[in-house]
Amino acid sequence: GAGVSQSPRYKVAKRGQDVALRCDPISGHVSLFWYQQALGQGPEFLTYFQNEAQLDKSGLPSDRFFAERPEGSVSTLKIQRTQQEDSAVYLCASSLGQRGEKLFFGSGTQLSVL
Amino acid sequence: KQEVTQIPAALSVPEGENLVLNCSFTDSAIYNLQWFRQDPGKGLTSLLLIQSSQREQTSGRLNASLDKSSGRSTLYIAASQPGDSATYLCAPYTSGTYKYIFGTGTRLKVLA
Repeated sequence: GAGVSQSPRYKVAKRGQDVALRCDPISGHVSLFWYQQALGQGPEFLTYFQNEAQLDKSGLPSDRFFAERPEGSVSTLKIQRTQQEDSAVYLCASSLGQRGEKLFFGSGTQLSVL
Repeated sequence: KQEVTQIPAALSVPEGENLVLNCSFTDSAIYNLQWFRQDPGKGLTSLLLIQSSQREQTSGRLNASLDKSSGRSTLYIAASQPGDSATYLCAPYTSGTYKYIFGTGTRLKVLA
C-alpha cells in the first residue's frame, strides 16, 4: 500500500478483555515504532523494531503490553486484561532506514475500554 | 531523559499572518529533529526533518531552524492560511536511542 495502515480504526473493549492492534508499515521499511497518544497530549513512545528485532521496549507501561513483528513487516500490539487507563489512540509509524529518518504514521487505532 | 516543551500551547491568528512556533528540548545530544502536523482524528504527517549539522530547513512556506547547543528549534509559517489549522508537534531523535520524543504540540487556528 501507499502508506502505513492500522486496523481496526476503532476498538471498544470491556475491562479485562484482551485486544490486538495491527500495523502494516510501508513495504521495505526497516524501522517500526508504536506510540500511545492520550487526548490533548503528544505521542508517547512504546516500542521500536528494527526488522524483526525489538530493540527498545522501554515505553511499554506494564507487562500486559506485548508487541511483535515476527517477519519484519506486519506488527501487532497486544494488550492483555485491558484497564480503563489503557484508553488512548495507538499510533504506528515506520521509516525506511535504521536511524532517525522521516517517519510515516498510520491513522491510529482509538481504543476505548469500558 | 529527553523532555520537550512547545510554546505556545495554542494560537489563534487571522489569515495572512507570519507565525513562529517554538520547541525546546533538554538533551542537546540529538541526531535530528522533525516537525509534524496532526489534523483532528488523524495520524501525524512529517513536515520537515532537520539534521543536527544543519541550521535551517525549508519547504514551501515552512522554515525550521535548529540551535542544537541551546536545545531549541523554531518553525516559521509564512502567510498563514485557514488550511494550516492543525496541531504542530516537534520531536528530537536523541543520539544513542531508538526513539523520537514528542512535545505536547501547539494547536493552531487560522481564521479566514
